[in-house]
Amino acid sequence: DQQVKQNSPSLSVQEGRISILNCDYTNSMFDYFLWYKKYPAEGPTFLISISSIKDKNEDGRFTVFLNKSAKHLSLHIVPSQPGDSAVYFCAAEGAGSYQLTFGKGTKLSVIP
Amino acid sequence: DAGVTQSPTHLIKTRGQQVTLRCSPKSGHDTVSWYQQALGQGPQFIFQYYEEEERQRGNFPDRFSGHQFPNYSSELNVNALLLGDSALYLCASSQPGGDGYTFGSGTRLTVV
Repeated sequence: DQQVKQNSPSLSVQEGRISILNCDYTNSMFDYFLWYKKYPAEGPTFLISISSIKDKNEDGRFTVFLNKSAKHLSLHIVPSQPGDSAVYFCAAEGAGSYQLTFGKGTKLSVIP
Repeated sequence: DAGVTQSPTHLIKTRGQQVTLRCSPKSGHDTVSWYQQALGQGPQFIFQYYEEEERQRGNFPDRFSGHQFPNYSSELNVNALLLGDSALYLCASSQPGGDGYTFGSGTRLTVV
């Protein structure tokens, strides 16, 4: 039973355009959500996070939106750059839990 | 400032053997978590160590065990290896109230 789902295995976007990566979750106990970026042969690198008490968090070109009623979050990258090409993982954490539950990832390709 | 260091980077073992993977946390971090990432999947939580004790465990059999040392470094041991144990094993370190999880580059284990 997958509690965090990333339904798009891959996404291609033109350089300079917006990239939108989506993530759905089923566990209502999740209260903290994170996005990680992973390049080949490297570990995941933290990108941005959001608490369940917020619906938006921005950090430079990266914005995460959270819709609690729909159990859906999305990561917006504007403008997209070729260096953003990587696998992006959505992860969730519940209150009092010490584990991150990850989705399967979305491979983003930004085309110059 | 070194991040999370994992060794070895690659390992090939025979089915039925035992393996030990090692992790040195980021400087200032005292908590170590281990994750297994199978091909095409997101990382799955194995367990977390804090104050030399296993604090939380994911859905993994007892063949997976660990240890944390007084210097906060950690080992992951897997006994009676199965072909399905072939995966990338990621170590992540953190500190209470800190800046989230920092992942190492992982150990690629192949069981033949």
